[in-house]
Amino acid sequence: DAGITQSPRYKITETGRQVTLMCHQTWSHSYMFWYRQDLGHGLRLIYYSAAADITDKGEVPDGYVVSRSKTENFPLTLESATRSQTSVYFCASSDGSSGGDEQFFGPGTRLTVL
Amino acid sequence: RKEVEQDPGPFNVPEGATVAFNCTYSNSASQSFFWYRQDCRKEPKLLMSVYSSGNEDGRFTAQLNRASQYISLLIRDSKLSDSATYLCVVNFSGGSYIPTFGRGTSLIVHP
Repeated sequence: DAGITQSPRYKITETGRQVTLMCHQTWSHSYMFWYRQDLGHGLRLIYYSAAADITDKGEVPDGYVVSRSKTENFPLTLESATRSQTSVYFCASSDGSSGGDEQFFGPGTRLTVL
Repeated sequence: RKEVEQDPGPFNVPEGATVAFNCTYSNSASQSFFWYRQDCRKEPKLLMSVYSSGNEDGRFTAQLNRASQYISLLIRDSKLSDSATYLCVVNFSGGSYIPTFGRGTSLIVHP
């Protein structure tokens, strides 16, 4: 199916475990983003990538690692999950050659860290 | 202080009303501006881009005021289906493409 997908959609894990959230897009968009959304904070940018093998930190990168070896995939890893990382995580992509294009969001992953 | 500010609301309006939201931004190097709509527990979706000259799409009108550093969204003839959270997004330039979201404004349209 064309579009942007995230997996898993729901995840429950324990403190200290490593968790990887997957994001896949089929449009060959150059830009990809990871956000977390929490009540009272709105959407906050964790990491973004302008192209394969190029990643950069957003507003709240601590505790997260990303990679982008292929244009279509942008996994987000929580190396040692903490309760404060309980959140809804959205991946997005954009064909942002000028940096100002529409972002398309995946359906989100709801992560609970116990 | 967040770089993009929105009144969280909720704005509670009757069907048929006109409602307006503002969003202020602090970085004068901002490059592009958008309004997104987010329904409860769903992903955000683009409502409209905001151009310097202002733009209209049916019942929705967006405007940009660079001098005062704010964008606005006007919804005319509100429908029940307009109930959602409206997110302001500002893309800052300066070597990197960094989109920043406001916290959103909640709109509730009642019969």
